[in-house]
Amino acid sequence: QVQLQESGPGLVKPSETLSLTCAVSGFSISSGYHWGWIRQPPGKGLEWIGSIFHSGSSYYNPSLKSRLSLSVDTSNNQFSLRLTSVTASDTAIYYCTRDAYDVLTDWGRGTLVTVSS
Amino acid sequence: SSELTQDPAVSVALGQTVRITCQGDTLRSFYASWYQQKPGQAPVLVISGKNNRPSGIPDRFSGSRSGNTASLTITGAQAEDEADYYCNSRDTSGNQWVFGGGTRLTVL
Repeated sequence: QVQLQESGPGLVKPSETLSLTCAVSGFSISSGYHWGWIRQPPGKGLEWIGSIFHSGSSYYNPSLKSRLSLSVDTSNNQFSLRLTSVTASDTAIYYCTRDAYDVLTDWGRGTLVTVSS
Repeated sequence: SSELTQDPAVSVALGQTVRITCQGDTLRSFYASWYQQKPGQAPVLVISGKNNRPSGIPDRFSGSRSGNTASLTITGAQAEDEADYYCNSRDTSGNQWVFGGGTRLTVL
């Protein structure tokens, strides 16, 4: 059974870069699927951030594209997110997911990132 | 636009049947998936594709589609089904994911 676990700083200062990593166990990233990120501001709905294939090809939410970078590390079976120039509106729970193109099959437990000075 | 629209809140009496809907043009081309989210927890997939339930999801959960509307039906709602439910799908280009705004289900 695949498991995903997000990690990274829980507090980021405005204008700085948010960096998160998702460790995958129970499945090799190199075996297929896309791997994605979803976020949820406190008390609000879900927003897709972007997804990446093990080869490195990726696609992003257009509203975040200019600040977003996804990467994959197959040797450590993990993938990462970098979001630059963050503001308070980037405060959210960030989830990593396994993206089977027509369904998001598995989710991590999520990690809260607060943007504040 | 590739938006998905859900009713913000729905209620159902214990043991009765409830339908939660999701509308959007993209649903004419792509099936919706449905996710259940309880307070303080990550979303959990309950229905995908035409009407596929992951292992461990009770068979009282079912999905359907008609035109631009996808539906999640809970037949015989239980107290533990009280949660937020989100639909999602590919957008019309197929290159992005879109989510509905979520429906809060209350079991009375």
